[in-house]
Amino acid sequence: QQQVKQSPQSLIVQKGGISIINCAYENTAFDYFPWYQQFPGKGPALLIAIRPDVSEKKEGRFTISFNKSAKQFSLHIMDSQPGDSATYFCAASMVGNTGNQFYFGTGTSLTVIP
Amino acid sequence: NAGVTQTPKFRILKIGQSMTLQCTQDMNHNYMYWYRQDPGMGLKLIYYSVGAGITDKGEVPNGYNVSRSTTEDFPLRLELAAPSQTSVYFCASLPNDRGTEAFFGQGTRLTVV
Repeated sequence: QQQVKQSPQSLIVQKGGISIINCAYENTAFDYFPWYQQFPGKGPALLIAIRPDVSEKKEGRFTISFNKSAKQFSLHIMDSQPGDSATYFCAASMVGNTGNQFYFGTGTSLTVIP
Repeated sequence: NAGVTQTPKFRILKIGQSMTLQCTQDMNHNYMYWYRQDPGMGLKLIYYSVGAGITDKGEVPNGYNVSRSTTEDFPLRLELAAPSQTSVYFCASLPNDRGTEAFFGQGTRLTVV
């Protein structure tokens, strides 16, 4: 069972446009929601993260919107650039009985066309 | 500042062979994880460790084994390689037990033929 559902699987956006990636979760015990960015041949790297006590977090062109009641969160990339072309993973984590548990979405391949 | 280092970067194995994927981190993190990444499937947790001497299974542990004799090292062992284990493997570490940034290695691309 996929703990975190991510959509779309792939996304093509024109340079300067807005990229939006959505994620949904079921387990209300999750208390940390990061987004990771992965370039080809590299490991994922933290892009931005949010905790459920806030509805939005912005860092530069990247914004997370969080809807606790709907159990959904999304990544918005404003003024998308070709350098943003990468795979994006949402994740959710919680501290369980056996330590920190991370669950990742299936990833979104973003292509920004010049 | 090495972070999380994985070796090798690439490997081709024959069915039935065994190998160890190495992972080491120099950040004194307690938590370490092994994931596999398959196209369109995201990252699946294989094994994890909350500290030296303590390991536990993740979502997809079958066909793998791990050990954690030191804080720095968390090797992943494949005993009898199968084509289904063809994947990209990532090791990651976390500094503490509350949600913070996970640091990933560069990955090992394994092909079993």
